[in-house]
Amino acid sequence: QKEVEQDPGPLSVPEGAIVSLNCTYSNSAFQYFMWYRQYSRKGPELLMYTYSSGNKEDGRFTAQVDKSSKYISLFIRDSQPSDSATYLCAMMKATGANNLFFGTGTRLTVIP
Amino acid sequence: DAGVIQSPRHEVTEMGQEVTLRCKPISGHNSLFWYRQTMMRGLELLIYFNNNVPIDDSGMPEDRFSAKMPNASFSTLKIQPSEPRDSAVYFCASSFGQGGNQPQHFGDGTRLSIL
Repeated sequence: QKEVEQDPGPLSVPEGAIVSLNCTYSNSAFQYFMWYRQYSRKGPELLMYTYSSGNKEDGRFTAQVDKSSKYISLFIRDSQPSDSATYLCAMMKATGANNLFFGTGTRLTVIP
Repeated sequence: DAGVIQSPRHEVTEMGQEVTLRCKPISGHNSLFWYRQTMMRGLELLIYFNNNVPIDDSGMPEDRFSAKMPNASFSTLKIQPSEPRDSAVYFCASSFGQGGNQPQHFGDGTRLSIL
């Protein structure tokens, strides 16, 4: 079993829809949780960053972390065609090596 | 500010050849990471450096892979000899310091094809 599981999709939604992306993980040592957005033929770009449990909002994006369930989510409100990309969750332990553990990514298409 | 710069962007070569990928981290960042991305396995950490010193190379797949960081502004990942299964996109990332509160910033990758 991989340490981070993410549904690869693909996911297609109409413009304006609310998108929900999710990851589960197995290692309770993870304390830092991130979402990266990756456009085709580009590198991953940090989108959201949270520490421990709770919510974080940035514009149309909301990240949620539920450590008791080992479950993280990214919500995109009023989705736009420019949101079409692959979204990768990533997480890191609080101590020790500086390794990021990535999900495999969910490919999202927002249809105009 | 310039981001992480990788070169070349694309590399096509025949199996058995030596391949060298290059990375210039963001100025002031002292941690550098090399990743490999494939459809099957996603993003995998190969090796990371802190203050130019390799800290964890457990992700390096075989002895054919080697990485160096001779100074704070340059790193190389070398594959010798290359094999078709090495075909992937290789990313370099950098961050300031160690620890989870220092997010990593990625370059745009080198797309490697071994024929």
